[in-house]
Amino acid sequence: NAGVMQNPRHLVRRRGQEARLRCSPMKGHSHVYWYRQLPEEGLKFMVYLQKENIIDESGMPKERFSAEFPKEGPSILRIQQVVRGDSAAYFCASSSSRQGGGGNQPQHFGDGTRLSIL
Amino acid sequence: DQQVKQNSPSLSVQEGRISILNCDYTNSMFDYFLWYKKYPAEGPTFLISISSIKDKNEDGRFTVFLNKSAKHLSLHIVPSQPGDSAVYFCAAKRDTDKLIFGTGTRLQVFP
Repeated sequence: NAGVMQNPRHLVRRRGQEARLRCSPMKGHSHVYWYRQLPEEGLKFMVYLQKENIIDESGMPKERFSAEFPKEGPSILRIQQVVRGDSAAYFCASSSSRQGGGGNQPQHFGDGTRLSIL
Repeated sequence: DQQVKQNSPSLSVQEGRISILNCDYTNSMFDYFLWYKKYPAEGPTFLISISSIKDKNEDGRFTVFLNKSAKHLSLHIVPSQPGDSAVYFCAAKRDTDKLIFGTGTRLQVFP
């Protein structure tokens, strides 16, 4: 599968630790989006990044959460000092252009990282 | 504020019949709508989309209808197959790139 790759698939952390979630977009895609899904809910937008730039972080919690998409390497979603409420599935999506959700260039999703906080 | 709503959490349909999944939205500025299918422990898979300037888009067994005046769209699957059993998410976007998702409808297709 040459699609969006996320790792790890499952991540367990204790309260107060840091969680790092990685996302490699599809080949040729330079736009990355992070979404979070709580149990029995839909996906909620967190942040949209292009290489070395954060374009829209309107869905990111103001504290403890950060994201980057460096020139080289995967996009990283970082959660510092995790709390129980951070337990969720975190999905990354990528697209090939700015119109990521429209036309014939939809966002393509990875299989997610399931984060569990003990 | 839930801008995209899927009011039916589940739907059960017999194999071979039509499945109709519904979605309502509140923001008249949305310009594009998409449907994704999701299996357990996997990411959403894009199915079909429709621009706000159209009222219908068809792709094989899948057809999406958009009624802008009612702020309503629906996904029709015909004929339904057991492999279609999954959670279906409606999503919308406006002039930004982030997708606004509904809460999903779990479709079960039984023999």
